Amino acid sequence: DAGVIQSPRHEVTEMGQEVTLRCKPISGHNSLFWYRQTMMRGLELLIYFNNNVPIDDSGMPEDRFSAKMPNASFSTLKIQPSEPRDSAVYFCASTSNHEVDTQYFGPGTRLTVL
Amino acid sequence: QKEVEQDPGPLSVPEGAIVSLNCTYSNSAFQYFMWYRQYSRKGPELLMYTYSSGNKEDGRFTAQVDKSSKYISLFIRDSQPSDSATYLCAMGPGANSKLTFGKGITLSVRP
Repeated sequence: DAGVIQSPRHEVTEMGQEVTLRCKPISGHNSLFWYRQTMMRGLELLIYFNNNVPIDDSGMPEDRFSAKMPNASFSTLKIQPSEPRDSAVYFCASTSNHEVDTQYFGPGTRLTVL
Repeated sequence: QKEVEQDPGPLSVPEGAIVSLNCTYSNSAFQYFMWYRQYSRKGPELLMYTYSSGNKEDGRFTAQVDKSSKYISLFIRDSQPSDSATYLCAMGPGANSKLTFGKGITLSVRP
């Protein structure tokens, strides 16, 4: 099995630009999670979906962040406009409703906003 | 007070040592407790999972939960250089609920 796939693996952009991060969950998984990891704040949940429906977006820092899951095999996290404080590693994770809380993480996207 | 507190580290031990990693939490609703291991520049991967209180052993690893004290631990016996990684505790109130993670502690096992 391919595991969770994220793209791009690295992204360097300038302040004010739009950034789109992509995630393909493991086939058959029902839930998808977006996290952000920094040295200062650790791993923070931004939003999670169950059966393509957003369940909890209380971790989304502000209106500049948006996430979509148009189908069971694809999700995007968009930042517009990006700011230097958005620099972090962004992880996507997925899990099956039959595997209690075993979240499988992707390799992450390392975002640098200059 | 943060919901989950984890010893900040870093922690450096010689090969063969017993390692104890700990987290405390404040939310009484947490029922599921996990330890994730994260190697450098990789995503976290589940190491151990425990429901409610008690101990769980898997090879050299033992996870312990004390709900009365809101305290969880991970013990690593006969530590190996390959155990060098960041360890994150995580917990949640129910199946497929959102998890709250500790900030992680970086462990280095010296040969």
